[in-house]
Amino acid sequence: DIHMTQSPSSVSASVRDRVTITCRASQGMSSWLAWYQQKPGKAPNLLIYKASSLQSGVPSRFSGSGSGTNFTLTISSLQPEDFATYFCQQTNSFPFTFGPGTRVDIK
Amino acid sequence: QVQLVQSGAEVKKSGASVKVSCKASGYIFTGHYIHWVRQAPGQGLEWLGWINPNNGGTYYAPMFLGRVTMTRDSSISTAFMELSNLRSDDAAVYYCARSMKNGAFDMWGQGTMVTVSS
Repeated sequence: DIHMTQSPSSVSASVRDRVTITCRASQGMSSWLAWYQQKPGKAPNLLIYKASSLQSGVPSRFSGSGSGTNFTLTISSLQPEDFATYFCQQTNSFPFTFGPGTRVDIK
Repeated sequence: QVQLVQSGAEVKKSGASVKVSCKASGYIFTGHYIHWVRQAPGQGLEWLGWINPNNGGTYYAPMFLGRVTMTRDSSISTAFMELSNLRSDDAAVYYCARSMKNGAFDMWGQGTMVTVSS
């Protein structure tokens, strides 16, 4: 199984800050990585697929990069509605696995 | 409107089984795999497996082999996930999700909370 890690586990930030979250895979997986945002009591919402492709309807302040084992999610200018938990997911091989999550909260 | 609507919350005793449904609407049901993911309270996301609604083919995560069964009824655009021999650590919100060709999940159900009592 591919093991996913994320850092940091939590980050405190202010509106308009730039936030970067890192996801690392235990083995190379090309660009088969997705990022999700989850708010309390809600299902996850797809932000990025194939490492850097923006899902339709997602604001352009979200971007993804990376390949192989190292990936990043960047929020260029944090907005109030972006305070949430973010998960990465590898879609390279079964079983699909998720990172443990990064919580973004208000400083 | 493209959506997945899941069945309501369940309370089960240890050792029992639970069956959760996921009804698709607004798209061609047989065109996308349906995956099942669970989330224990305050925890991360755990993938259980997928079903191909077109032919009923399945793939289960190794840790759930022997306990999980995924089925579908294409006539009503509904997928089902049954988990047997429930334990206390199976208590979680169970989600169904639709995958795109690249594997990412672009549509999720609202979640079904499963509570396991001893």
